[in-house]
Amino acid sequence: DAGVTQSPTHLIKTRGQQVTLRCSPKSGHDTVSWYQQALGQGPQFIFQYYEEEERQRGNFPDRFSGHQFPNYSSELNVNALLLGDSALYLCASSLASGVSDTQYFGPGTRLTVL
Amino acid sequence: RKEVEQDPGPFNVPEGATVAFNCTYSNSASQSFFWYRQDCRKEPKLLMSVYSSGNEDGRFTAQLNRASQYISLLIRDSKLSDSATYLCVVKGDNSWGKLQFGAGTQVVVTP
Repeated sequence: DAGVTQSPTHLIKTRGQQVTLRCSPKSGHDTVSWYQQALGQGPQFIFQYYEEEERQRGNFPDRFSGHQFPNYSSELNVNALLLGDSALYLCASSLASGVSDTQYFGPGTRLTVL
Repeated sequence: RKEVEQDPGPFNVPEGATVAFNCTYSNSASQSFFWYRQDCRKEPKLLMSVYSSGNEDGRFTAQLNRASQYISLLIRDSKLSDSATYLCVVKGDNSWGKLQFGAGTQVVVTP
């Protein structure tokens, strides 16, 4: 049973650049949520995708956008990178209609903005 | 005020001892509660869900107090492998709500 996978594992960018992070959900899951975890903090919710639409959004600027594909995989795009965007970006998948809506996390992408 | 607050610790615990810690949440309409475990530079992993009646999973016991809006986790007979950051997680008041995380409580189990 394949778990949640994310790519790349590490990324280094400079201020002003754009980045795309990718996530494949756990087999059988149809919902993908993205979180940002800064050093020493808990993960912060960015947004959630279901049926290829953004279903809920946290307090993140429009520079953060996403997409979900028909195979349920998802991308997170961040434009005009700032130093403060340096963090671990976590993808979590779940099943919208399941008995349990437990979210399972991928290993994350560690983004460093210089 | 943060929506989920935890004592950051660290809690230094001798191997074999018991450790307990709480977290508080601000949204009284929250529906689901969890403890996740996170090892250094790794992803969070679900440790256990927390039910109103309290629940136990091996050496781990979780309690929920809705009236006072706090959740607790107790670890008995601590093992060196229990060293980690424990994240208190609250799910919102709709059926597909986002997870709200605390900043985590660090537990260090020493020989």
